[in-house]
Amino acid sequence: GNSVTQMEGPVTLSEEAFLTINCTYTATGYPSLFWYVQYPGEGLQLLLKATKADDKGSNKGFEATYRKETTSFHLEKGSVQVSDSAVYFCALSLGGYQKVTFGTGTKLQVIP
Amino acid sequence: GAVVSQHPSWVICKSGTSVKIECRSLDFQATTMFWYRQFPKQSLMLMATSNEGSKATYEQGVEKDKFLINHASLTLSTLTVTSAHPEDSSFYICSARETGPYQPQHFGDGTRLSIL
Repeated sequence: GNSVTQMEGPVTLSEEAFLTINCTYTATGYPSLFWYVQYPGEGLQLLLKATKADDKGSNKGFEATYRKETTSFHLEKGSVQVSDSAVYFCALSLGGYQKVTFGTGTKLQVIP
Repeated sequence: GAVVSQHPSWVICKSGTSVKIECRSLDFQATTMFWYRQFPKQSLMLMATSNEGSKATYEQGVEKDKFLINHASLTLSTLTVTSAHPEDSSFYICSARETGPYQPQHFGDGTRLSIL
């Protein structure tokens, strides 16, 4: 079956530190890959996406590159802010109309 | 764009009552909507997939008679928790996917349900 594995959190960083949240996937075909962010007390927001190998998704300083050879989609940001504190979900979707499979989420805490 | 509105955001009710949660896509048409339950420590569980004008598809282990889903239009889906009990207390989140292939899901802000 399809699955997404994320690093367990919480991840605690100081402001302006470099962020990496690892994500690997297992899929029976060629999925689209997503990162969603959930701020406290809210639903999920799409952060970025990539639909084919070597695509790079980017938004708000976050980036992730679709690596088919390593089946990975790691999330990175060069300099985190306190306002980036949230839970980050890696996800995949196979086919144009398939449901999304989510990872378990990684909580990020950024301290001043 | 791509806003999903979920209502109510928080509800407290007595055990045995039924609670309806609405999910609306405000600026796009959503052929497909999804209902999730989020447990402590953040994991998301897909409960069901609803397609406009047809019966919802429930995930294994989800009681369809307890969690009634209706998707009567391209912009509205409802989840009714019937005869709610304290173990149904949770954070429920809906999402809607724009019509067409390879579209991402857009999420509502969730509903915190507390059953006393």
